[in-house]
Order: sequence, then C-alpha cells, then structure tokens
Amino acid sequence: SQQGEEDPQALSIQEGENATMNCSYKTSINNLQWYRQNSGRGLVHLILIRSNEREKHSGRLRVTLDTSKKSSSLLITASRAADTASYFCATGYNDMRFGAGTRLTVKP
Amino acid sequence: SQTIHQWPATLVQPVGSPLSLECTVEGTSNPNLYWYRQAAGRGLQLLFYSVGIGQISSEVPQNLSASRPQDRQFILSSKKLLLSDSGFYLCACGQTLQETQYFGPGTRLLVL
Repeated sequence: SQQGEEDPQALSIQEGENATMNCSYKTSINNLQWYRQNSGRGLVHLILIRSNEREKHSGRLRVTLDTSKKSSSLLITASRAADTASYFCATGYNDMRFGAGTRLTVKP
Repeated sequence: SQTIHQWPATLVQPVGSPLSLECTVEGTSNPNLYWYRQAAGRGLQLLFYSVGIGQISSEVPQNLSASRPQDRQFILSSKKLLLSDSGFYLCACGQTLQETQYFGPGTRLLVL
C-alpha cells in the first residue's frame, strides 16, 4: 500500500518561478526520499532526508521534513522547462513506499 | 555506480500468453532487487522484492511471479497474461530495503 501522498496532484508554472510540492505520510519513517520521473522513463533519485534532519539542499532543490506533522516539501527554485516531470516522495522504514506523485509542468 | 538494464522496452501480448521480463544490474553486488508496476499517471505498486539469489518476497497476490537465478538478474513472469496486467514495469535495485533505489528504464506492457 502507498505510504506518502503528494499534493498537489498537478502543478503548472512559468519558467523562472518556484515550484513547491508536498508529501504527507502516516506512520514512522527512517528517511524520506524524493524521486523524479520523466514521461515514460524510470525514476531518478533526487534527495534523501533522514528523520533526524529538518532541511536539505541539493542545487536548486530544497527539501524540508517535519516529523511532528508527518510531512515533507520539495521546493524547486528558478524552475526550467526541463524540470517538467512527475515527482514522487517515498518513505523508508522497514521498506520503501511511494506516493502517487505530483505532475509538474514548467511552461517556457 | 550501478546501471539497471531492462528489456524489452515495449511489449504487446495477447491475453492468455506467457510473459518474461528480464532485469540485469551492473556495478554492484548483492543488491536488493525490486519489481514495480505503474498504471498510467499513477504511483508505483511494489510487486516483488529479493534480498538474494532464490529469495523472493511477494507484496500482492496476482498471476505474476518473480525469480532471481543469479545475483544480478531478476525475472518477472506470468503463465497467462490478463488484461489487467497492462502497465509500466520498473525494475530497481538498492542496498537496503529502505535506502535509495536505482531504477531501470522500464518495460511498457500492453495486453490485448
């Protein structure tokens, strides 16, 4: 069964704007991960944040984790058309469970 | 770094026909291996995972099966395909069950 739930399901923005996606989960986690999937392709790992971390950066990506609210957010700054993809969160505990994803469209 | 190969990339099969999808991994040893299915526009459903040769755990009851004949080979099979087996099948590997997973390019299966 799925663990994380992403919000919104779809997001459309203009190039240069920031994109924020949220993930909520229900049970304990050891880590939370974000993945990206271009249409018809496999998933690519973006970033992993552990349960004792609150924020993590990687290039234009910023991930936050609030274990008290059981939620995480992924911020993509200065978005580009090439960022158009689906983004999934996955929670790790005894195993890893993926959410249904947010479809991000960045218009040039 | 690891590379995951999957083939074929696309497959169209009639209902009732058998299935064999293969996944091989390079650049790592003793990996955990996974098979996921993704319906159009949806998230990933874990089908099977394997922590070693000959060790298969099934997550959902269905007419699919998996085998791991070698350390870096994972096969997804069916004796008789159903229409509901259509989807995008992804193979992944990782070192532990909860850490980063690396995905193959996927196989799109259409059962008619």
